[in-house]
Amino acid sequence: DTAVSQTPKYLVTQMGNDKSIKCEQNLGHDTMYWYKQDSKKFLKIMFSYNNKELIINETVPNRFSPKSPDKAHLNLHINSLELGDSAVYFCASSTSSTWRGYTFGSGTRLTVV
Amino acid sequence: GENVEQHPSTLSVQEGDSAVIKCTYSDSASNYFPWYKQELGKGPQLIIDIRSNVGEKKDQRIAVTLNKTAKHFSLHITETQPEDSAVYFCAATPSGNAGNMLTFGGGTRLMVKP
Repeated sequence: DTAVSQTPKYLVTQMGNDKSIKCEQNLGHDTMYWYKQDSKKFLKIMFSYNNKELIINETVPNRFSPKSPDKAHLNLHINSLELGDSAVYFCASSTSSTWRGYTFGSGTRLTVV
Repeated sequence: GENVEQHPSTLSVQEGDSAVIKCTYSDSASNYFPWYKQELGKGPQLIIDIRSNVGEKKDQRIAVTLNKTAKHFSLHITETQPEDSAVYFCAATPSGNAGNMLTFGGGTRLMVKP
């Protein structure tokens, strides 16, 4: 059973398109995150949701809009895709009750052409 | 906010040798320090962590040390094997921060040559 699952794993799209990435966790965690990993492998926080409420919203273009329909799901919608959006996007989850870091998904490689 | 620096960015060792990766952090309130291993095409996976009330922790061939005074912590891998080849990330967080957000170091690409 996959703990944190993201779909799709690969996404190739043209500039200007709108796309979504979905994330689901079956760990019973209460906090979910989106991270962006650039070509140099640097991991940068984008958003964090705790029990469906947005608690971290780093400096990210407003073309990126997260949505958490329930605490097991956190989706990322990106409007008007740009070349610079090409990266690997990771979803992660954690529990605030027994804090021990994150469980990451396997990532979504987004390529904008 | 927290700032975590990690060195070296790449590390090449011969199979059987030891590897050491070092990180420094800036926020003295940080008290949880995990290490993640990221294999090619996969997400980072927690391999070991340490809390600030402990100076050292060991799990088989990997160990982590923490020096709170100097604000640095290190990952030690002994008897390296080719399957240890991956990118390793250190991270730090103060407890109780919003969303328990981890700040990551820049990563170390470890290559173990057979």
